Amino acid sequence: NAGVTQTPKFQVLKTGQSMTLQCAQDMNHEYMSWYRQDPGMGLRLIHYSVGAGITDQGEVPNGYNVSRSTTEDFPLRLLSAAPSQTSVYFCASSAISEETQYFGPGTRLLVL
Amino acid sequence: SQQGEEDPQALSIQEGENATMNCSYKTSINNLQWYRQNSGRGLVHLILIRSNEREKHSGRLRVTLDTSKKSSSLLITASRAADTASYFCATSIIQGAQKLVFGQGTRLTINP
Repeated sequence: NAGVTQTPKFQVLKTGQSMTLQCAQDMNHEYMSWYRQDPGMGLRLIHYSVGAGITDQGEVPNGYNVSRSTTEDFPLRLLSAAPSQTSVYFCASSAISEETQYFGPGTRLLVL
Repeated sequence: SQQGEEDPQALSIQEGENATMNCSYKTSINNLQWYRQNSGRGLVHLILIRSNEREKHSGRLRVTLDTSKKSSSLLITASRAADTASYFCATSIIQGAQKLVFGQGTRLTINP
């Protein structure tokens, strides 16, 4: 199993540009989530999903959209990037019956 | 705002010594988890303690939970250079690992 994969590893955007951060898992997990991590801080939940077709907002959802058309994939979309969205983004997944989240390696995003 | 506050923010000890990190949280929880993050990597689950448990062990890790004080501690015994990482506590108000709320982390450095 590859676990949780994220692409790209690193991205530079200009203010106002849009992009999609990809996340995929091959563990058939129902639950998937996106976090952002800013320097010296813990992770903050952006959006999450408990299954295909079901998404909900976390603590810091503004400026981000998500969709969950399949169990495996949970892309995060930045509609109009802002410098405040410069951060490291982590995707995670877990089985509803489990008590452990599995994290991807992260995507480092720089918005100029 | 984040649920967990961790103390200290940074800790530097000699190899072989014990390391203790503390986490405080604000609301009632179902479980509290500890994760490790090596530099530039995703988070890895270490141990989980439920709200009805007071102490749990896993190898060189010992976690305690005091729900009356809304606090937890993580003890790493006989530290090794490979333990150098950031450690995060995360709380959940529901059973499982969904919608985790993370503290800001403790940066642990083990000096050889």
